[in-house]
Amino acid sequence: AQSVSQHNHHVILSEAASLELGCNYSYGGTVNLFWYVQYPGQHLQLLLKYFSGDPLVKGIKGFEAEFIKSKFSFNLRKPSVQWSDTAEYFCAVRGTGRRALTFGSGTRLQVQP
Amino acid sequence: EAQVTQNPRYLITVTGKKLTVTCSQNMNHEYMSWYRQDPGLGLRQIYYSMNVEVTDKGDVPEGYKVSRKEKRNFPLILESPSPNQTSLYFCASTPQGLSNEQFFGPGTRLTVL
Repeated sequence: AQSVSQHNHHVILSEAASLELGCNYSYGGTVNLFWYVQYPGQHLQLLLKYFSGDPLVKGIKGFEAEFIKSKFSFNLRKPSVQWSDTAEYFCAVRGTGRRALTFGSGTRLQVQP
Repeated sequence: EAQVTQNPRYLITVTGKKLTVTCSQNMNHEYMSWYRQDPGLGLRQIYYSMNVEVTDKGDVPEGYKVSRKEKRNFPLILESPSPNQTSLYFCASTPQGLSNEQFFGPGTRLTVL
């Protein structure tokens, strides 16, 4: 079975601080990895995705994530957060050959002005 | 505009009263799925459909039914709702090939009294 762990449940940062949100997955084969964001009162939107190739993936709004296969990790980063980044962030994984997308429990990011 | 729509957006009902939440997409996507979102648990997949007349259980299917008679529609049916089905529900669709991005609907907040 595939699973995803997001260890940071609630993160509070000041504007301009750097961000790193952890995501670890469990699956024995090749995976597709995603980060979604949910702004308050809105539906989920894709931030970035990894399928293959360069393990450093760049997404929208200055976000990036690095796939480290040996650590089963796909951490999300942003060098300088803004108040508008306040949202909930979800990591998701799909193992090749599986149909279901599995989400982590989410990390609530609060950016203080 | 390419989108996934859900109706209703908000619903308060009572235990045992059958209800249907509709989901429709205008992108001709083959794959559709339903998730429920609960605090601290992230998104959990209820049911998914690979194409018309092809549906399968996700991680938390108990108490739910779905149908896929047309490609664009994927209604979620609660035959006898119970309070533990109080949640935020999201429908999503994806073009063929699950490594593609899932597009999410705006969500339906259901309260079962």
